[in-house]
Amino acid sequence: SAVISQKPSRDICQRGTSLTIQCQVDSQVTMMFWYRQQPGQSLTLIATANQGSEATYESGFVIDKFPISRPNLTFSTLTVSNMSPEDSSIYLCSVEDWTGGGYGYTFGSGTRLTVV
Amino acid sequence: DAKTTQPNSMESNEEEPVHLPCNHSTISGTDYIHWYRQLPSQGPEYVIHGLTSNVNNRMASLAIAEDRKSSTLILHRATLRDAAVYYCILRDVNDFNKFYFGSGTKLNVKP
Repeated sequence: SAVISQKPSRDICQRGTSLTIQCQVDSQVTMMFWYRQQPGQSLTLIATANQGSEATYESGFVIDKFPISRPNLTFSTLTVSNMSPEDSSIYLCSVEDWTGGGYGYTFGSGTRLTVV
Repeated sequence: DAKTTQPNSMESNEEEPVHLPCNHSTISGTDYIHWYRQLPSQGPEYVIHGLTSNVNNRMASLAIAEDRKSSTLILHRATLRDAAVYYCILRDVNDFNKFYFGSGTKLNVKP
């Protein structure tokens, strides 16, 4: 299965600043997905990123706040802009992957963001 | 958007079987039933998935009701390492870009 590397693994940021999270996959993938997991909560899909086109955002998420880049088939970034304490969450990237029994998803270990 | 219902938490004894239920009464004919789990401080990992028939793999078994409105993830012998949040998710083969997590079941395994 695919191996995903996310950087940074954690960060503490000042409100009003921006953080860019990187997601590197060890194989070429068509779709990459970004999720947010707020403290004690489940995962919420932020957007889907396809190489060579604009990301598709879920309801409640906008490009100005969470700009996404997808320059090639193995890499994507998510920026959390103009951060506030409410943005403190774990951010995870994911790719569609062959699980052995069919197609599923592989997830990175996440970026734990704390905004102070 | 999550179309599944799971108990918030369950508890099991080590080395005993665990049956984790999931209700998905509005499942459509093109929805696959996926199960993932999230260990502490990790991203979710794939456990098993199926469409209509029961499925087995090295991690678990998936029992799907005949009407497909519910399913059960079976861990045959729970270990302490199985303590995690287990998510039951429906994935539509016609819209595979949408993979929505519900609230999941937190499984506690007692030694």
